[in-house]
Amino acid sequence: GAVVSQHPSWVICKSGTSVKIECRSLDFQATTMFWYRQFPKQSLMLMATSNEGSKATYEQGVEKDKFLINHASLTLSTLTVTSAHPEDSSFYICSARDTGQIDTEAFFGQGTRLTVV
Amino acid sequence: GQQLNQSPQSMFIQEGEDVSMNCTSSSIFNTWLWYKQDPGEGPVLLIALYKAGELTSNGRLTAQFGITRKDSFLNISASIPSDVGIYFCAGQLSFGNQFYFGTGTSLTVIP
Repeated sequence: GAVVSQHPSWVICKSGTSVKIECRSLDFQATTMFWYRQFPKQSLMLMATSNEGSKATYEQGVEKDKFLINHASLTLSTLTVTSAHPEDSSFYICSARDTGQIDTEAFFGQGTRLTVV
Repeated sequence: GQQLNQSPQSMFIQEGEDVSMNCTSSSIFNTWLWYKQDPGEGPVLLIALYKAGELTSNGRLTAQFGITRKDSFLNISASIPSDVGIYFCAGQLSFGNQFYFGTGTSLTVIP
């Protein structure tokens, strides 16, 4: 299957600082990528849809000014958690679909474990 | 977001037994996917379903897209210890749109 790479795999930051997470599609182009967060022993909750060259679409209840998404190229989307607080600690996962294929499933990155201290 | 209800929430089975789990929704989906997630990792795709009534196998795994397009099930035959993990269903309302995840089924296989 297609490969989606997420970086970093884990990060620890101080409260009040910002953290950037990258999501790359390595062997395909993706006009759309998706960002999820997952709390321990819970399901993946969709945060936003990242659209190449345009603004992201956020799910209800997700603060767009806190979770900044940039999708500047067909292979890269970034999620920046601004002014992070301990309650932002979570597992963040991105996924991407191959734009050039019809009826393709979404492939996931390996996730980023964010811990805010 | 959409609510996908997955059952059972957890299962404890003996090695060699068959497993069945399902996912239901109040909305009609045009795509159903099944994923397995190991601790600290991203989900890995197991099976993708694109047509109502479709029955698809991947080794010991079999999944079906419900006729009503509001449900799907996943069967695992002759379970082995490496089947341990959390299984998620995911549904897509229409092509190109986001996937919503089920609540997950935690599977424990006892050797």
